[in-house]
Amino acid sequence: DTAVSQTPKYLVTQMGNDKSIKCEQNLGHDTMYWYKQDSKKFLKIMFSYNNKELIINETVPNRFSPKSPDKAHLNLHINSLELGDSAVYFCASSQGTGGTEAFFGQGTRLTVV
Amino acid sequence: AQSVTQLDSQVPVFEEAPVELRCNYSSSVSVYLFWYVQYPNQGLQLLLKYLSGSTLVKGINGFEAEFNKSQTSFHLRKPSVHISDTAEYFCAVSDRGGADGLTFGKGTHLIIQP
Repeated sequence: DTAVSQTPKYLVTQMGNDKSIKCEQNLGHDTMYWYKQDSKKFLKIMFSYNNKELIINETVPNRFSPKSPDKAHLNLHINSLELGDSAVYFCASSQGTGGTEAFFGQGTRLTVV
Repeated sequence: AQSVTQLDSQVPVFEEAPVELRCNYSSSVSVYLFWYVQYPNQGLQLLLKYLSGSTLVKGINGFEAEFNKSQTSFHLRKPSVHISDTAEYFCAVSDRGGADGLTFGKGTHLIIQP
C-alpha cells in the first residue's frame, strides 16, 4: 500500500506546454504539500494546503497552481512550461502541521526540452 | 523566517567507521527539527525528529541526533556505518505553527567506502 503516490514518475515535455502532476495520499492526513528539488538536490516548499487553506511560497511563479478536489488529492498544474522548471517535484502529506512527520511520494522527474 | 545550514556537501567514510553529519539552524521562533534520508531515485524518509524533551533523539537504522540550543545545532551521528547508508541526508526545520512546511538544508551526500 503506497502512502503517498504521484503520477507520472517521469514527464518529458516541450517548452510552452501545460502539464499536470497528480498526487494522492491514503493516510487520512489533512495537510498536503508540493516541494521542488532542483538539480543540486536543494528542496524548497512550493505550496501547503490544509483544510482548504492554501499557503503559497511567494517565490513560486503563478504559472504553478495546486488543485485539491478533496482532502486526499493535491494535483499540481503548470502552465507555459519553461526550461528552468526541470526538476523533481515531490508531493507530501502530514496530519496537522508543525512537529508532525511529513510522508513523501517517490517524486516526479520533469524534464522540459 | 528560518534557515538551515549543512556545512558538508559530501562526507566520505569507511565502512564500520563512525560518522557525524552537521546541521545548524537559525530561527526567530521555536522550531521542530528533523533529519530525512533520500536513497537514489526515491522520496524522502524520516530518520528522526526533535520536538521537545530529551535533547538526544534516537531514530531508525541506528542513527541519533543531539539538539543543542545554545549552538543552534542538530548534528546526526551513527557509531558504525554500512554500505547501505549511502544516501543524501537532509536536515530540516519547521516552526511551531508549521503551516509553511519544512525548510531544508542543502543536503549532505554520505559516501560509504568499503
